[in-house]
Amino acid sequence: GAVVSQHPSRVICKSGTSVKIECRSLDFQATTMFWYRQFPKQSLMLMATSNEGSKATYEQGVEKDKFLINHASLTLSTLTVTSAHPEDSSFYICSARDGGGAGNEQFFGPGTRLTVL
Amino acid sequence: AQSVTQPDIHITVSEGASLELRCNYSYGATPYLFWYVQSPGQGLQLLLKYFSGDTLVQGIKGFEAEFKRSQSSFNLRKPSVHWSDAAEYFCAVGPWTGFQKLVFGTGTRLLVSP
Repeated sequence: GAVVSQHPSRVICKSGTSVKIECRSLDFQATTMFWYRQFPKQSLMLMATSNEGSKATYEQGVEKDKFLINHASLTLSTLTVTSAHPEDSSFYICSARDGGGAGNEQFFGPGTRLTVL
Repeated sequence: AQSVTQPDIHITVSEGASLELRCNYSYGATPYLFWYVQSPGQGLQLLLKYFSGDTLVQGIKGFEAEFKRSQSSFNLRKPSVHWSDAAEYFCAVGPWTGFQKLVFGTGTRLLVSP
């Protein structure tokens, strides 16, 4: 149980285009999902927290107009990188919190490697 | 301020030898502590977690961790390392409930030599 998937696993796009990454909780309802960014050989940096049916909460320094987050259902959150640029190239990881479970444990997706040319 | 310190960026261990990865935390409330492992290009897999009870926690893949409140530490151990354990290990701290974020350490890269 507690499986989180991400799609796509890898994406290469041209500068100026938008890219959508999906995060799904496959066998539980996720009231809260988190989006992280990870640069090579570095730790995870939280970008935003999304709660189902409400606006995402962005961390300081994260542009909400550039990184659009939608959490329309209890099993799906999407991150859209708008007008992507090479500096947006990174590994994006989502996690989901089981709304029906005890504690604040997060289950992580396998990540999406974004390369912007 | 909430923080997690993993003082070792890299550790190299011979296969079959014991391992200890250090983690120190600073947290204002009762912490919920985690160890995650990440293989290259992959997401994070939970090794173990601790909130209360026995301070020695058993996890998957033969790992264990000991919570020491007096030292604000949650070190990860394995008695005999396998080559497949080579990966990045992250310690994290967060609240037991609520929507507050987890705070991650900077990670320790484990290399296993033959």
